[in-house]
Amino acid sequence: EAAVTQSPRSKVAVTGGKVTLSCHQTNNHDYMYWYRQDTGHGLRLIHYSYVADSTEKGDIPDGYKASRPSQENFSLILELASLSQTAVYFCASSDRDNQDTQYFGPGTRLLVL
Amino acid sequence: GDSVTQTEGLVTLTEGLPVMLNCTYQTIYSNPFLFWYVQHLNESPRLLLKSFTDNKRTEHQGFHATLHKSSSSFHLQKSSAQLSDSALYYCALSDLSSGSWQLIFGSGTQLTVMP
Repeated sequence: EAAVTQSPRSKVAVTGGKVTLSCHQTNNHDYMYWYRQDTGHGLRLIHYSYVADSTEKGDIPDGYKASRPSQENFSLILELASLSQTAVYFCASSDRDNQDTQYFGPGTRLLVL
Repeated sequence: GDSVTQTEGLVTLTEGLPVMLNCTYQTIYSNPFLFWYVQHLNESPRLLLKSFTDNKRTEHQGFHATLHKSSSSFHLQKSSAQLSDSALYYCALSDLSSGSWQLIFGSGTQLTVMP
């Protein structure tokens, strides 16, 4: 099974500050994804990437940037954190030949005050 | 665009009773993949089962679901609930309508099994 790790596991940030969430996978997967989880909304796709040095917008990209410097690493950046970005963030990865099955990291709890 | 609807936000039932969690979807793509992901408390979502074959029952870990394209449904069932089944269940859809196999998740159903 794919190994996906995230850091930090939890973070408290101030409104207007910059937040970077990191994701690392060790199973040589091509695809990586960032989701946010909110009660009543389920999991919503923010950004994804299918190759290093390239990122794509998901369903809710506003207020977020993403960076894929290598196949193994995928970061989510909140340049100006806002209260509405308080959520749990999950990173996931999938293989090119089995894209429909995604493996999730442990999640990062972000609280913006 | 594509969408997935899970009508029950919360389901509470007694151990030993049957489980049925509803899932319907909308897509213009004729061959979607449908999934159920399960997320236990303080854990990450993991795949429970998936299907792309119409009218074929898919089973895993005591749960089963059948994709019915005629009604755009993929309900999750289990004959007898266990305490350990308490978790958040997501139905999800994937197809190539966006150009890649992205997952579209429903809002989730929190299942609580009582003794």
